[in-house]
Amino acid sequence: GESVGLHLPTLSVQEGDNSIINCAYSNSASDYFIWYKQESGKGPQFIIDIRSNMDKRQGQRVTVLLNKTVKHLSLQIAATQPGDSAVYFCAENIGGYQKVTFGTGTKLQVIP
Amino acid sequence: DTAVSQTPKYLVTQMGNDKSIKCEQNLGHDTMYWYKQDSKKFLKIMFSYNNKELIINETVPNRFSPKSPDKAHLNLHINSLELGDSAVYFCASSQVRNSYNEQFFGPGTRLTVL
Repeated sequence: GESVGLHLPTLSVQEGDNSIINCAYSNSASDYFIWYKQESGKGPQFIIDIRSNMDKRQGQRVTVLLNKTVKHLSLQIAATQPGDSAVYFCAENIGGYQKVTFGTGTKLQVIP
Repeated sequence: DTAVSQTPKYLVTQMGNDKSIKCEQNLGHDTMYWYKQDSKKFLKIMFSYNNKELIINETVPNRFSPKSPDKAHLNLHINSLELGDSAVYFCASSQVRNSYNEQFFGPGTRLTVL
């Protein structure tokens, strides 16, 4: 359902520090996970993905960690920059099926 | 070239009116989606079409009717608009393959119902 009554979690980070954004996913059958970044006034944009047969995947300045035991996903951003300020969503998918379920999102504020 | 485009970007209308939002993707993807994002930024899938065929319909009121004339287009028509329909609507497309489903989103349509 809708997130009525829920506020958008906010993470404030100093420029240059590392950021860690956490996400708990709901379906133990999910086998594909994606992180999206949504800047103000824009649509979500793909950052990085990971399949359930991996527990870590690295991209440029970003790392995704997956812990299937506790159904937890995290996004680490190294040397956070002002351009990283956005809302970040984790999303889960059961492979071969079109439906992707999004988490509630975390707002990242980078303090210059 | 914009990969997924939506029109209009802003839509302000009165309660009870009927309106449409258009979406086009030039990525050659087979699957297209409509999402609704509320004021708390919660992103919820509404519909999905695969090769012009409806495959996901997430208990959306039947005032909302998607139409896919071809696999590059997915339009959303809304009848008898209500205050609670005010939100940002995002179109997306993807090519599901080998269990990967990276979705590409349009810029969104901000609908305000007065």
